[in-house]
Amino acid sequence: GENVEQHPSTLSVQEGDSAVIKCTYSDSASNYFPWYKQELGKGPQLIIDIRSNVGEKKDQRIAVTLNKTAKHFSLHITETQPEDSAVYFCAARILRSYIPTFGRGTSLIVHP
Amino acid sequence: GAVVSQHPSRVICKSGTSVKIECRSLDFQATTMFWYRQFPKQSLMLMATSNEGSKATYEQGVEKDKFLINHASLTLSTLTVTSAHPEDSSFYICSASPGLRYNEQFFGPGTRLTVL
Repeated sequence: GENVEQHPSTLSVQEGDSAVIKCTYSDSASNYFPWYKQELGKGPQLIIDIRSNVGEKKDQRIAVTLNKTAKHFSLHITETQPEDSAVYFCAARILRSYIPTFGRGTSLIVHP
Repeated sequence: GAVVSQHPSRVICKSGTSVKIECRSLDFQATTMFWYRQFPKQSLMLMATSNEGSKATYEQGVEKDKFLINHASLTLSTLTVTSAHPEDSSFYICSASPGLRYNEQFFGPGTRLTVL
Protein backbone atom coordinates (compact mmCIF):
# COMPACT_ATOMS: atom_id res chain seq x y z
CA GLY A 1 0.00 0.00 0.00
CA GLU A 2 0.87 3.67 -0.13
CA ASN A 3 3.18 5.15 2.51
CA VAL A 4 3.47 8.91 2.97
CA GLU A 5 6.28 10.43 5.02
CA GLN A 6 6.03 14.05 6.14
CA HIS A 7 8.69 16.34 7.60
CA PRO A 8 9.20 18.21 9.79
CA SER A 9 6.76 17.26 12.53
CA THR A 10 7.04 20.74 14.01
CA LEU A 11 8.01 23.99 12.28
CA SER A 12 8.42 27.28 14.06
CA VAL A 13 8.89 30.50 12.06
CA GLN A 14 8.72 34.23 12.54
CA GLU A 15 5.88 36.17 10.97
CA GLY A 16 6.83 37.10 7.43
CA ASP A 17 9.19 34.19 6.94
CA SER A 18 8.56 31.34 4.53
CA ALA A 19 7.65 27.81 5.60
CA VAL A 20 8.28 24.61 3.68
CA ILE A 21 6.81 21.21 4.47
CA LYS A 22 8.02 18.17 2.58
CA CYS A 23 6.41 14.82 1.85
CA THR A 24 7.44 11.68 0.06
CA TYR A 25 5.24 8.88 -1.18
CA SER A 26 5.95 5.30 -2.17
CA ASP A 27 3.30 4.24 -4.69
CA SER A 28 4.10 5.42 -8.20
CA ALA A 29 0.41 4.92 -9.09
CA SER A 30 -0.57 7.85 -6.85
CA ASN A 31 -1.47 10.82 -9.01
CA TYR A 32 -3.31 13.25 -6.77
CA PHE A 33 -1.77 15.11 -3.85
CA PRO A 34 -3.94 17.31 -1.64
CA TRP A 35 -2.81 19.39 1.31
CA TYR A 36 -5.02 20.03 4.32
CA LYS A 37 -4.91 22.60 7.10
CA GLN A 38 -6.35 21.58 10.44
CA GLU A 39 -6.92 24.19 13.12
CA LEU A 40 -7.25 23.16 16.74
CA GLY A 41 -10.50 21.34 17.41
CA LYS A 42 -11.63 21.43 13.79
CA GLY A 43 -11.68 19.10 10.82
CA PRO A 44 -9.11 19.31 8.02
CA GLN A 45 -9.73 21.78 5.23
CA LEU A 46 -8.33 21.42 1.73
CA ILE A 47 -6.02 24.32 0.97
CA ILE A 48 -4.38 23.28 -2.29
CA ASP A 49 -3.94 20.19 -4.41
CA ILE A 50 -1.88 19.06 -7.37
CA ARG A 51 -2.17 16.35 -9.95
CA SER A 52 0.77 14.35 -11.19
CA ASN A 53 0.69 15.94 -14.64
CA VAL A 54 1.59 19.31 -13.10
CA GLY A 55 4.90 20.22 -11.50
CA GLU A 56 3.86 23.31 -9.58
CA LYS A 57 0.71 25.11 -8.54
CA LYS A 58 0.32 28.40 -6.77
CA ASP A 59 -2.55 30.10 -4.97
CA GLN A 60 -1.66 33.47 -3.47
CA ARG A 61 0.76 32.79 -0.62
CA ILE A 62 0.75 29.03 -0.90
CA ALA A 63 2.31 26.84 -3.54
CA VAL A 64 2.85 23.14 -4.01
CA THR A 65 5.60 21.50 -6.03
CA LEU A 66 5.73 17.91 -7.21
CA ASN A 67 8.69 15.84 -8.35
CA LYS A 68 7.08 12.73 -9.70
CA THR A 69 10.38 11.03 -10.49
CA ALA A 70 11.64 11.40 -6.96
CA LYS A 71 8.18 10.94 -5.45
CA HIS A 72 8.51 14.18 -3.50
CA PHE A 73 6.01 16.97 -3.05
CA SER A 74 6.23 20.08 -0.93
CA LEU A 75 4.06 22.87 0.43
CA HIS A 76 5.47 26.38 0.44
CA ILE A 77 3.89 29.20 2.43
CA THR A 78 5.33 32.67 1.91
CA GLU A 79 4.92 35.75 4.09
CA THR A 80 3.58 33.65 6.94
CA GLN A 81 1.03 35.14 9.30
CA PRO A 82 0.00 34.06 12.81
CA GLU A 83 -3.28 32.76 11.41
CA ASP A 84 -1.31 30.28 9.33
CA SER A 85 -0.53 28.47 12.60
CA ALA A 86 -2.15 25.04 12.36
CA VAL A 87 -1.39 21.41 11.61
CA TYR A 88 -0.82 20.70 7.94
CA PHE A 89 -1.31 17.26 6.42
CA CYS A 90 -0.12 16.09 3.05
CA ALA A 91 -1.85 13.18 1.36
CA ALA A 92 -1.50 11.00 -1.70
CA ARG A 93 -3.98 8.87 -3.60
CA ILE A 94 -4.95 7.52 -6.95
CA LEU A 95 -7.31 9.96 -8.60
CA ARG A 96 -10.13 7.48 -9.19
CA SER A 97 -9.95 6.34 -5.57
CA TYR A 98 -11.62 8.17 -2.71
CA ILE A 99 -9.19 7.12 -0.02
CA PRO A 100 -6.04 9.20 0.54
CA THR A 101 -3.07 8.16 2.58
CA PHE A 102 -2.18 10.95 4.99
CA GLY A 103 1.17 12.05 6.26
CA ARG A 104 1.63 12.34 10.02
CA GLY A 105 1.17 16.10 10.00
CA THR A 106 3.31 19.19 10.60
CA SER A 107 2.52 21.60 13.38
CA LEU A 108 3.31 25.07 12.04
CA ILE A 109 3.75 27.83 14.58
CA VAL A 110 4.08 31.39 13.31
CA HIS A 111 5.36 33.77 15.95
CA PRO A 112 4.17 37.38 15.69
CA GLY B 1 -20.34 25.05 -1.32
CA ALA B 2 -19.36 21.53 -0.20
CA VAL B 3 -20.11 21.98 3.48
CA VAL B 4 -20.17 19.04 5.84
CA SER B 5 -21.54 19.32 9.35
CA GLN B 6 -21.26 17.07 12.38
CA HIS B 7 -23.37 16.89 15.47
CA PRO B 8 -22.64 17.03 18.28
CA SER B 9 -19.32 18.85 18.32
CA ARG B 10 -18.55 17.57 21.80
CA VAL B 11 -20.05 14.78 23.86
CA ILE B 12 -19.23 13.39 27.27
CA CYS B 13 -20.77 10.09 28.27
CA LYS B 14 -20.48 7.44 30.93
CA SER B 15 -18.73 4.17 30.29
CA GLY B 16 -21.11 1.55 28.93
CA THR B 17 -23.46 3.94 27.19
CA SER B 18 -23.86 4.41 23.45
CA VAL B 19 -23.25 7.63 21.57
CA LYS B 20 -24.51 8.60 18.13
CA ILE B 21 -22.67 11.09 15.91
CA GLU B 22 -24.32 12.56 12.84
CA CYS B 23 -22.60 13.65 9.66
CA ARG B 24 -24.49 15.68 7.09
CA SER B 25 -23.57 17.05 3.69
CA LEU B 26 -25.42 20.36 3.63
CA ASP B 27 -25.33 21.44 0.02
CA PHE B 28 -24.52 18.34 -1.98
CA GLN B 29 -25.42 14.69 -2.19
CA ALA B 30 -22.80 12.23 -1.11
CA THR B 31 -23.09 8.63 -2.16
CA THR B 32 -19.99 7.92 -0.13
CA MET B 33 -19.07 9.16 3.31
CA PHE B 34 -16.06 8.30 5.44
CA TRP B 35 -15.41 8.09 9.16
CA TYR B 36 -12.01 8.83 10.63
CA ARG B 37 -10.59 8.75 14.10
CA GLN B 38 -7.82 11.03 15.23
CA PHE B 39 -5.76 10.70 18.38
CA PRO B 40 -4.01 13.77 19.83
CA LYS B 41 -1.17 15.02 17.67
CA GLN B 42 -1.62 12.17 15.23
CA SER B 43 -2.87 11.76 11.71
CA LEU B 44 -6.32 10.68 10.60
CA MET B 45 -7.07 6.99 10.73
CA LEU B 46 -9.78 5.78 8.36
CA MET B 47 -12.31 3.66 10.21
CA ALA B 48 -14.86 2.89 7.54
CA THR B 49 -16.34 3.85 4.22
CA SER B 50 -20.08 4.35 4.19
CA ASN B 51 -22.19 3.95 1.06
CA GLU B 52 -25.80 5.08 0.92
CA GLY B 53 -28.17 2.18 1.19
CA SER B 54 -25.56 -0.48 1.78
CA LYS B 55 -23.38 -1.83 4.55
CA ALA B 56 -20.29 0.08 5.49
CA THR B 57 -16.84 -1.22 4.66
CA TYR B 58 -14.65 -1.29 7.73
CA GLU B 59 -10.88 -1.00 7.81
CA GLN B 60 -8.87 -3.80 9.28
CA GLY B 61 -8.88 -3.74 13.07
CA VAL B 62 -12.07 -1.67 13.39
CA GLU B 63 -14.85 -3.54 15.17
CA LYS B 64 -18.06 -3.28 13.15
CA ASP B 65 -20.20 -4.22 16.15
CA LYS B 66 -18.53 -1.53 18.21
CA PHE B 67 -18.78 1.26 15.67
CA LEU B 68 -22.14 1.03 13.94
CA ILE B 69 -22.46 3.04 10.76
CA ASN B 70 -25.70 3.83 9.01
CA HIS B 71 -25.83 5.79 5.75
CA ALA B 72 -29.57 6.33 5.56
CA SER B 73 -29.70 8.97 2.86
CA LEU B 74 -27.51 10.80 0.38
CA THR B 75 -26.92 13.55 2.93
CA LEU B 76 -26.72 11.74 6.26
CA SER B 77 -24.45 9.14 7.80
CA THR B 78 -24.35 8.24 11.48
CA LEU B 79 -21.69 6.62 13.61
CA THR B 80 -22.81 4.97 16.84
CA VAL B 81 -20.18 4.06 19.39
CA THR B 82 -21.76 1.23 21.34
CA SER B 83 -20.95 0.38 24.95
CA ALA B 84 -18.37 3.13 25.02
CA HIS B 85 -15.23 2.79 27.11
CA PRO B 86 -12.60 5.37 28.04
CA GLU B 87 -10.29 4.08 25.31
CA ASP B 88 -12.94 5.11 22.77
CA SER B 89 -12.34 8.73 23.73
CA SER B 90 -11.08 10.44 20.62
CA PHE B 91 -11.79 13.00 17.91
CA TYR B 92 -14.09 11.54 15.27
CA ILE B 93 -14.20 13.20 11.87
CA CYS B 94 -16.45 12.42 8.94
CA SER B 95 -15.98 13.37 5.34
CA ALA B 96 -18.16 13.24 2.26
CA SER B 97 -17.56 13.31 -1.45
CA PRO B 98 -19.90 14.72 -4.07
CA GLY B 99 -18.11 12.55 -6.60
CA LEU B 100 -17.09 15.55 -8.67
CA ARG B 101 -13.75 17.00 -9.68
CA TYR B 102 -11.10 14.73 -8.24
CA ASN B 103 -13.38 12.68 -5.99
CA GLU B 104 -12.41 15.21 -3.37
CA GLN B 105 -13.47 14.63 0.22
CA PHE B 106 -14.82 17.46 2.31
CA PHE B 107 -14.34 17.07 6.03
CA GLY B 108 -16.70 17.85 8.85
CA PRO B 109 -15.60 19.85 11.89
CA GLY B 110 -15.18 16.76 14.04
CA THR B 111 -16.75 15.45 17.24
CA ARG B 112 -14.77 15.25 20.46
CA LEU B 113 -15.92 12.16 22.41
CA THR B 114 -14.94 11.80 26.04
CA VAL B 115 -15.94 8.62 27.85
CA LEU B 116 -15.74 8.81 31.62
